[in-house]
Amino acid sequence: QQQVKQSPQSLIVQKGGISIINCAYENTAFDYFPWYQQFPGKGPALLIAIRPDVSEKKEGRFTISFNKSAKQFSLHIMDSQPGDSATYFCAARPNTGNQFYFGTGTSLTVIP
Amino acid sequence: KAGVTQTPRYLIKTRGQQVTLSCSPISGHRSVSWYQQTPGQGLQFLFEYFSETQRNKGNFPGRFSGRQFSNSRSEMNVSTLELGDSALYLCASSLGATATNEKLFFGSGTQLSVL
Repeated sequence: QQQVKQSPQSLIVQKGGISIINCAYENTAFDYFPWYQQFPGKGPALLIAIRPDVSEKKEGRFTISFNKSAKQFSLHIMDSQPGDSATYFCAARPNTGNQFYFGTGTSLTVIP
Repeated sequence: KAGVTQTPRYLIKTRGQQVTLSCSPISGHRSVSWYQQTPGQGLQFLFEYFSETQRNKGNFPGRFSGRQFSNSRSEMNVSTLELGDSALYLCASSLGATATNEKLFFGSGTQLSVL
């Protein structure tokens, strides 16, 4: 059973456009929500993260929007660049331990 | 600071064999977690070790085991390999604190193919 549901599976965006990836969860024990970026042949790398007491967090071109009541969070990539082409994973960690639950990933392609 | 090192990078095994994967965490990190990554499934948590003790365990059969040494290096073992065990196995290290914003740092993984 997938505890974190991620969509879309793949996404194609024009250079300069906005990429949006969505995730949803059910477990109210989750209290930390990171996003990871993975390039082919590499392990995932932490991109940005948020806690549920904040509704939005922005770091450069990357923004997380968090809706606690809907149990949803999303990653927005502004001014998308070809170098952003990668697979993105959302994740969630419960307050009970250092075990992360990952979404199934979104393959982003930014067309020049 | 060196990152997380996983060896070997690639492995080819046949069904029924066993395999051992190795992970060296970032210096100073005391927690090592293992994840299985397969296409369409994302990353699935296997287990976490902290100070040589298994602290968390995911929903994998007992064929999957691990251990951690006093220098925080960790090994993962899979016995009686099955075709479905073919995957990228990722190791992640972290400080191991109980802070909510614990950051995971991943290695590049070991790609295991079971024939």
